[in-house]
Amino acid sequence: DAGVTQSPTHLIKTRGQQVTLRCSPKSGHDTVSWYQQALGQGPQFIFQYYEEEERQRGNFPDRFSGHQFPNYSSELNVNALLLGDSALYLCASSLGTSSSYEQYFGPGTRLTVT
Amino acid sequence: GQQVMQIPQYQHVQEGEDFTTYCNSSTTLSNIQWYKQRPGGHPVFLIQLVKSGEVKKQKRLTFQFGEAKKNSSLHITATQTTDVGTYFCADPGYSTLTFGKGTMLLVSP
Repeated sequence: DAGVTQSPTHLIKTRGQQVTLRCSPKSGHDTVSWYQQALGQGPQFIFQYYEEEERQRGNFPDRFSGHQFPNYSSELNVNALLLGDSALYLCASSLGTSSSYEQYFGPGTRLTVT
Repeated sequence: GQQVMQIPQYQHVQEGEDFTTYCNSSTTLSNIQWYKQRPGGHPVFLIQLVKSGEVKKQKRLTFQFGEAKKNSSLHITATQTTDVGTYFCADPGYSTLTFGKGTMLLVSP
């Protein structure tokens, strides 16, 4: 039973560029949430996708957008990258949209913006 | 979710010593989750507490939820080097999961 997978593992981008990160949820899970984790901080909720729609959104600008596909996999897109976007981006899947459900995290994508 | 505060930010212990991290909220929590993140790794769910005054044990780990549901703690008895990592509490809130800043535990052999 595959857990949550994310790609790529690491990424280096330049300010102003755009980036797409990918996530495949744990088998049987239908909900994907994205988090940003800055160094030394806890994960911060970006948004959640269920049934191919954004269901919840944290305090992140519109530069952050996402998508969920029919197979439940998801993408996170960030436009006009800023130095402050450098962080570990974590994808978490769950069975259902309630925040009380256990979140299964992927290994993350380490994004560095130079 | 509401902001949850964790203390201490960092603790360094000798192997065999006990360790406790505390999580506090200014508002009543419906429930609380705990996660562990190893260095270079990702958060892994440990447990969820729901009831007022609830105490749950997982081997050497003891989790408590306060009577007023405004605080929680994680206690590790006789730490081992495998306990190294950052421990986060997280408030599921009404719709989104809000993490504390975590307590980083370092265990020296």
